[in-house]
Amino acid sequence: QQQVKQSPQSLIVQKGGISIINCAYENTAFDYFPWYQQFPGKGPALLIAIRPDVSEKKEGRFTISFNKSAKQFSLHIMDSQPGDSATYFCAASMDTGFQKLVFGTGTRLLVSP
Amino acid sequence: DAGVTQSPTHLIKTRGQQVTLRCSPKSGHDTVSWYQQALGQGPQFIFQYYEEEERQRGNFPDRFSGHQFPNYSSELNVNALLLGDSALYLCASSPITLAAQGDEQFFGPGTRLTVL
Repeated sequence: QQQVKQSPQSLIVQKGGISIINCAYENTAFDYFPWYQQFPGKGPALLIAIRPDVSEKKEGRFTISFNKSAKQFSLHIMDSQPGDSATYFCAASMDTGFQKLVFGTGTRLLVSP
Repeated sequence: DAGVTQSPTHLIKTRGQQVTLRCSPKSGHDTVSWYQQALGQGPQFIFQYYEEEERQRGNFPDRFSGHQFPNYSSELNVNALLLGDSALYLCASSPITLAAQGDEQFFGPGTRLTVL
């Protein structure tokens, strides 16, 4: 019940295209859903996050869509660029004050020029 | 602001040995969390420290222990190393006042531990 399932494992998108990564969770106590971006040799960096009281959040080219009834959320990267090539992780946590993040298994995105 | 720093960058140990990894949190942050990231996997929560005490622990054996110092820096100790302990160990910091809101944890670059 603590798992967050992420798909696809890898993704190749042409420059200018839309990258879509999906995540699903079981634990309805989760109420914070961030997406992290990780480049080789670096730690994960927060990209965008959402809480269940909204169905969509957009920041620049990055959008989170959230479906509370389906317990699913997704990351959309519009106008994908080669510099977006990285590994993306979805995560979830409960608002207990401890901020323990449960991560998905990651999606390796390659944006071809 | 140097952000979250970790040392060493890389470490090679043999089975049965003990290792200590170090983390300095981002300026203004007082809470430190440790994660283990195996190759090709997402980070797994080990434990979190605040006010020099372990506040919450993930599903890791007692061989994994930690410490937080008065300056908020932290150490992760792993005893009796196993081959399966080979991973990237990540430290993340956050300010406790925002932790309840689930606000951002800042991650360091990690320490790559290889157990032979």
